[in-house]
Amino acid sequence: DADVTQTPRNRITKTGKRIMLECSQTKGHDRMYWYRQDPGLGLQLIYYSFDVKDINKGEISDGYSVSRQAQAKFSLSLESAIPNQTALYFCATSETGLNNEQFFGPGTRLTVL
Amino acid sequence: EDKVVQSPLSLVVHEGDTVTLNCSYEVTNFRSLLWYKQEKKAPTFLFMLTSSGIEKKSGRLSSILDKKELFSILNITATQTGDSAVYLCAVSGGSNYKLTFGKGTLLTVNP
Repeated sequence: DADVTQTPRNRITKTGKRIMLECSQTKGHDRMYWYRQDPGLGLQLIYYSFDVKDINKGEISDGYSVSRQAQAKFSLSLESAIPNQTALYFCATSETGLNNEQFFGPGTRLTVL
Repeated sequence: EDKVVQSPLSLVVHEGDTVTLNCSYEVTNFRSLLWYKQEKKAPTFLFMLTSSGIEKKSGRLSSILDKKELFSILNITATQTGDSAVYLCAVSGGSNYKLTFGKGTLLTVNP
């Protein structure tokens, strides 16, 4: 079984709809992250959480919100989706510590029409 | 603001060639530099570098860090078509351990 899972894997929605992307992990890591990837732009950090009570904005948090429901679960919401939020979204986890290799989920491809 | 710049952005080679991918960075309170390989799916971890001058090696891939000049290189020898991917460089720094990613280098290895 995959250590980091994301649902759904693909989603097509319309402008203005509310969308939730979910991430679960079985690695026992405290730290979780949400990134978006656009062609030619690498990975951009949306939000990150270092434990259940900790939520931090990343580089591009506008238009997004998150919820850390438990150590193993970190969900990303688009309250009112817009076409320029069409992208590939990755969840990642890492251990606590100075040097943190991040482990990525399989990604969710979101299309906003 | 932390910055990671990778070059070249894309590269096309023939099987058997050797390639060198570059990553330069500006980050406060540097902790580590990581290389990932991304095929048509999630990035997978290759190396983590924390000390200057110590080469990390895995098969045909190797990487080294220069903390004085603020860069790292990833070498791939005897390239194979399976090496075709986007190679991402990321740097961990600052007070909150988050990673800053470069835009990646798209490597295409032709038979």
